[in-house]
Amino acid sequence: DAGVTQSPTHLIKTRGQQVTLRCSPKSGHDTVSWYQQALGQGPQFIFQYYEEEERQRGNFPDRFSGHQFPNYSSELNVNALLLGDSALYLCASSFLFLTGQDYEQYFGPGTRLTVT
Amino acid sequence: EDQVTQSPEALRLQEGESSSLNCSYTVSGLRGLFWYRQDPGKGPEFLFTLYSAGEEKEKERLKATLTKKESFLHITAPKPEDSATYLCAVQADRGSTLGRLYFGRGTQLTVWP
Repeated sequence: DAGVTQSPTHLIKTRGQQVTLRCSPKSGHDTVSWYQQALGQGPQFIFQYYEEEERQRGNFPDRFSGHQFPNYSSELNVNALLLGDSALYLCASSFLFLTGQDYEQYFGPGTRLTVT
Repeated sequence: EDQVTQSPEALRLQEGESSSLNCSYTVSGLRGLFWYRQDPGKGPEFLFTLYSAGEEKEKERLKATLTKKESFLHITAPKPEDSATYLCAVQADRGSTLGRLYFGRGTQLTVWP
């Protein structure tokens, strides 16, 4: 059973450029969440997608946007990159129950983004 | 505002020396508290979920407990392979923040032979 996968593993971009990161959820999961983890910090919630719509959003600017596809996979897009966007970007998948709650979120290996 | 504080920031143990990591939280309506293990440069690996005060869960040398204000991760007779950063996260039961995990900064554990 494949777990959460992310691509690419590493990425180097220049300030002002745009980047797209990709995530495939664990088999049987329908919800994808994205987190940003700066060095030495805990992951910070960016947003969560369910049924191809943004369900929750953290305190991140509109430069951060996402998409979820019918097969539950997801993309994170970041426009106008800043040096401060350098971080490990984590995707987590879960299953959303009828109560509106998910349970355990399983994380992928992450994409290390470096902005120069 | 929902907050999670972990202590200590770093912990060095000799192999076999048991200890505990602390996670204190402030959340209006706790739905779940989660422990993860993270190795350098990798994604967090799920360990435990605790839902209510008094609940305990065990996995090999790890045991997690929960009170109304904090959680402990007890490590019994650790081995060098237990070296990692341990992250604590909470999830609130409010509609406006459903699904969001709030993480602490983690405790970096080093176990030396």
